[in-house]
Amino acid sequence: NAGVTQTPKFQVLKTGQSMTLQCAQDMNHNSMYWYRQDPGMGLRLIYYSASEGTTDKGEVPNGYNVSRLNKREFSLRLESAAPSQTSVYFCASSELSAYNEQFFGPGTRLTVL
Amino acid sequence: QKEVEQNSGPLSVPEGAIASLNCTYSDRVSQSFFWYRQYSGKSPELIMSIYSNGDKEDGRFTAQLNKASQYVSLLIRDSQPSDSATYLCAVGIQGAQKLVFGQGTRLTINP
Repeated sequence: NAGVTQTPKFQVLKTGQSMTLQCAQDMNHNSMYWYRQDPGMGLRLIYYSASEGTTDKGEVPNGYNVSRLNKREFSLRLESAAPSQTSVYFCASSELSAYNEQFFGPGTRLTVL
Repeated sequence: QKEVEQNSGPLSVPEGAIASLNCTYSDRVSQSFFWYRQYSGKSPELIMSIYSNGDKEDGRFTAQLNKASQYVSLLIRDSQPSDSATYLCAVGIQGAQKLVFGQGTRLTINP
């Protein structure tokens, strides 16, 4: 099992460009998450999908959109990238349970010039 | 007040000693608590989870939970240089399928 996979691993964008970050999991988890990690800021939740067909905003949703394509896949879209969106983006997944153990993908390092 | 607080460190511990990492949280009804280890340039890796008061041991790692004091800690016995990493504390939010993370404590084990 690959666990949680993310593509691409690295990306450089110019201000105003758009892109979609892809995430897939093969653990049959119901819940999926997108985080960003900036130096000194810890992990901050952007959007999450508790189950297929639902999405909810997290702590820092502005400038992002998400799509839960199916149970396995959860994508994050930047419509018009800004330098403030330079960050490392992590996708995670978990079973739908009261305990919510989350497992992370390898991350995407995004630079917006 | 931040929901989950950790001392950002760096915490420096000699090899073979016990490393003690601490975390406090503000949501009194939280049920689930996790410790993640993150090496530089890598993703967070779940190393311990704890759901009830007391201690939970797994190899050289012990997680301790005190819900009355809203405090969770991680002890690493016989610290090794390979334990040098950032340790993230995460707390489950009651009624919501999500976690809140602390900022992480950077731990360095000195040979």
